[in-house]
Amino acid sequence: DTEVTQTPKHLVMGMTNKKSLKCEQHMGHRAMYWYKQKAKKPPELMFVYSYEKLSINESVPSRFSPECPNSSLLNLHLHALQPEDSALYLCASSLLLTGEQYFGPGTRLTVT
Amino acid sequence: SQQGEEDPQALSIQEGENATMNCSYKTSINNLQWYRQNSGRGLVHLILIRSNEREKHSGRLRVTLDTSKKSSSLLITASRAADTASYFCATDHSGGSNYKLTFGKGTLLTVNP
Repeated sequence: DTEVTQTPKHLVMGMTNKKSLKCEQHMGHRAMYWYKQKAKKPPELMFVYSYEKLSINESVPSRFSPECPNSSLLNLHLHALQPEDSALYLCASSLLLTGEQYFGPGTRLTVT
Repeated sequence: SQQGEEDPQALSIQEGENATMNCSYKTSINNLQWYRQNSGRGLVHLILIRSNEREKHSGRLRVTLDTSKKSSSLLITASRAADTASYFCATDHSGGSNYKLTFGKGTLLTVNP
């Protein structure tokens, strides 16, 4: 299984809602990543987890809260988002903290 | 910024032609990677070239790296309509646990049938 899955595919939420994005991989990868991508822009790194521990937080606002419950699963909890947070949220994983990254298809988030 | 810069920003060619995209970066790297992204979807890893390598091939892809000029190029030979996508270079500058990839702005390639 060489796939990273993300759910949901699309999400529309109001600014007062709480929602979560989910990412899963069963490749035995020990590093997992969240990226944010706006239209016609490159992906921007948000968080890096290595061996289930947060190793990088790229100064992301606290309304985004990552969680890595186990080595296969990565969540991104969302609360009190702003319309400018609307974007494609991509999850990725890699065997270790280097080398090629495998990306999921992304969650298209719209904040109204 | 360590961000790579791809050039051109957009490239339109006919099927069967070759496509060349370039990437420049500012600080020394551990490796450089190329990714493809079809519209609004996840990225797909194409090739990784390490800082001590100068050229690498994978199928119709050829990547070169010139660390003295801090630049890389991606050549796609005999292009197909299915190659239409955005192409990003990504550079790994970091060490130890402070690992991250920094993506360039991308080249949008359109291959016309």
